[in-house]
Amino acid sequence: DSGVTQTPKHLITATGQRVTLRCSPRSGDLSVYWYQQSLDQGLQFLIQYYNGEERAKGNILERFSAQQFPDLHSELNLSSLELGDSALYFCASSVAGGAQETQYFGPGTRLLVL
Amino acid sequence: AQSVTQLDSQVPVFEEAPVELRCNYSSSVSVYLFWYVQYPNQGLQLLLKYLSGSTLVKGINGFEAEFNKSQTSFHLRKPSVHISDTAEYFCAVSGANAGNMLTFGGGTRLMVKP
Repeated sequence: DSGVTQTPKHLITATGQRVTLRCSPRSGDLSVYWYQQSLDQGLQFLIQYYNGEERAKGNILERFSAQQFPDLHSELNLSSLELGDSALYFCASSVAGGAQETQYFGPGTRLLVL
Repeated sequence: AQSVTQLDSQVPVFEEAPVELRCNYSSSVSVYLFWYVQYPNQGLQLLLKYLSGSTLVKGINGFEAEFNKSQTSFHLRKPSVHISDTAEYFCAVSGANAGNMLTFGGGTRLMVKP
């Protein structure tokens, strides 16, 4: 158990809908990362937050947005969903967001768009 | 930009045999290197990481990896594998050139046969 929690574990929805994925980092970690894992794209970095502020952005679509709240939990919002958004979405956390730090991964949220 | 190549998508091996999973990276600046393991239906777990110093890094579960700067490689090895090592293994880099996020290789599925 990494100490990172993600809810829900599974999500099935239809095209055009909007969903929210939630992540609670390990106790004491200030930085949260979101990654997408799909069969065709592999594991790709989406976005990083540090203590409530966006720190880095990767291959995140404009239809996707995220935020980190004062209690340090984070939410990833996916809207106007398409079939191709079906994937496993991971949240990871680290102490201060440095490149040398270990990122601890949650169990993921499996999204299926029908 | 950084990139990571895992040369083998699948590696079948018999139990108690040695194994090497290959990883090559490209980066124009110094990087930090990581190996993560993903068991079925789970998140990623850190096996080991190289930050600096000794090029031979020992990790959990009997794994080790060797950083070779001239060949830009970070191959993962285990002298004797167990059935329980069956999993997907990901090599990743982070560093100053592309920020603090992890850039992952495509993964290698290690299949340990009895």
